[in-house]
Amino acid sequence: EVQLVESGGGLVQPGGSLRLSCAASGFTFSDNWMHWVRQAPGRGLVWVSRISRDGRTITYADSVKGRFTISRDNAKNTVYLEMNNLRADDTAVYFCARASLTVFGAIIFDLWGQGALVTVSS
Amino acid sequence: DIQMTQSPSSLSASLGDRVTITCRASDYINDYLNWYQQRPGKAPHLLILAASTLQTGVPSRFSGSGSGTDFTLTISSLQPEDFATYYCQQSYTIPWTFGQGTKVEVK
Repeated sequence: EVQLVESGGGLVQPGGSLRLSCAASGFTFSDNWMHWVRQAPGRGLVWVSRISRDGRTITYADSVKGRFTISRDNAKNTVYLEMNNLRADDTAVYFCARASLTVFGAIIFDLWGQGALVTVSS
Repeated sequence: DIQMTQSPSSLSASLGDRVTITCRASDYINDYLNWYQQRPGKAPHLLILAASTLQTGVPSRFSGSGSGTDFTLTISSLQPEDFATYYCQQSYTIPWTFGQGTKVEVK
């Protein structure tokens, strides 16, 4: 089955750290860029970060730059999001998403994980 | 960053109704506009890519149009499973940005 499964969410105190994992199956993981998108409770979707197929190109949203680190292990078919110095406004469901390039030249998120809830609170 | 503005933020409709949601980009994005559906507690699901192309498996009652800065998602005849929140998203430039969402509720 083609799927993404996140893990690692939980409750963490402000200033703390957490690492999310996203395990891929059913497709050739190394063929796709991977992204993280988050959604605060009752709010909309916000793009967080992306990583290239070989892990050499990485981009972050300004809101997480310097605090979050995205990485991947193609041998384990897994993408990670290391989150440090967490703040209350980082509280959200974090989705990993597979990016695919269409014939039109546009990038789409055509496969999403179920999400991992991260709660930052004392 | 390119801001995506959807309208309305929410709407009430009945089964069989025609529903139209608009999305405006703060800058030119050609047709690099995607639409996603999100049901409560679930991950988003791609409906339309490149402004007007239906993703494989998506019912034909969904359609999209537009280019440049102004886009529309139309549901021709609302079905029970369509009550959800819809998001537009631009993939023209980083950071990818989403609209704030349009919640389609039962009238």
